[in-house]
Amino acid sequence: EVQLLESGGGLVQPGGSLRLSCAASGFTFSSYGMSWVRQAPGKGLEGVALIYTNGRPIYADSVKGRFTISRDNSKNTLYLQMNSLRVEDTAVYYCAKDLSGYASDYWGQGTLVTVSS
Amino acid sequence: QSALTQPPSASGSPGQSVTISCTGTSSDIGDYVSWYRQHPGKAPKLMIYEVNKRPSGVPYRFSGSKSGNTASLTVSGLQAEDEGDYYCTSYEVGDYVRFGGGTKLTVL
Repeated sequence: EVQLLESGGGLVQPGGSLRLSCAASGFTFSSYGMSWVRQAPGKGLEGVALIYTNGRPIYADSVKGRFTISRDNSKNTLYLQMNSLRVEDTAVYYCAKDLSGYASDYWGQGTLVTVSS
Repeated sequence: QSALTQPPSASGSPGQSVTISCTGTSSDIGDYVSWYRQHPGKAPKLMIYEVNKRPSGVPYRFSGSKSGNTASLTVSGLQAEDEGDYYCTSYEVGDYVRFGGGTKLTVL
């Protein structure tokens, strides 16, 4: 059974940093692209970052230069390093497993990041 | 990044069919359209990918199509469990994933 478990969310001040983790199990982690998708309170979904199996990342314009996605295949874990956080980064952050490179077939339950002073 | 436009709401009675649209700004929305359903407080669930493919376990009542710059999700034989927020996504070469604004489907 595929499982994705996010952790690392919490309250942080504007300008601060946070690192999210996503522990994966139930599939060959190294064989799939992985994504982070977020959802601000009461709002829709927004793609944040994607990392391919070869480690190449892609970012949404809204987080370029501030967020870094990475993966450790030896630990079956996906990461999102978030720097220079802004109030508008407040959201539930989901990690997701890619199905075909263009869709995500499994999602974690999300971790809440709150950026506030 | 260009936007995908969805109607904010849609509704239908049990047993009826409902179609939700997703319109892009390019002349062709592309071949990598997906649809997700999200129940309140839950993670999204993939319902359709690559325009019209159903993942394992998704009922045949869910179907996808596209014409030009618009993709559509049709839910036939509406059931109470179909209620939720539906989001479309698409990709363009060299671009990242774009999400539509979401459509709240209500089963009357």
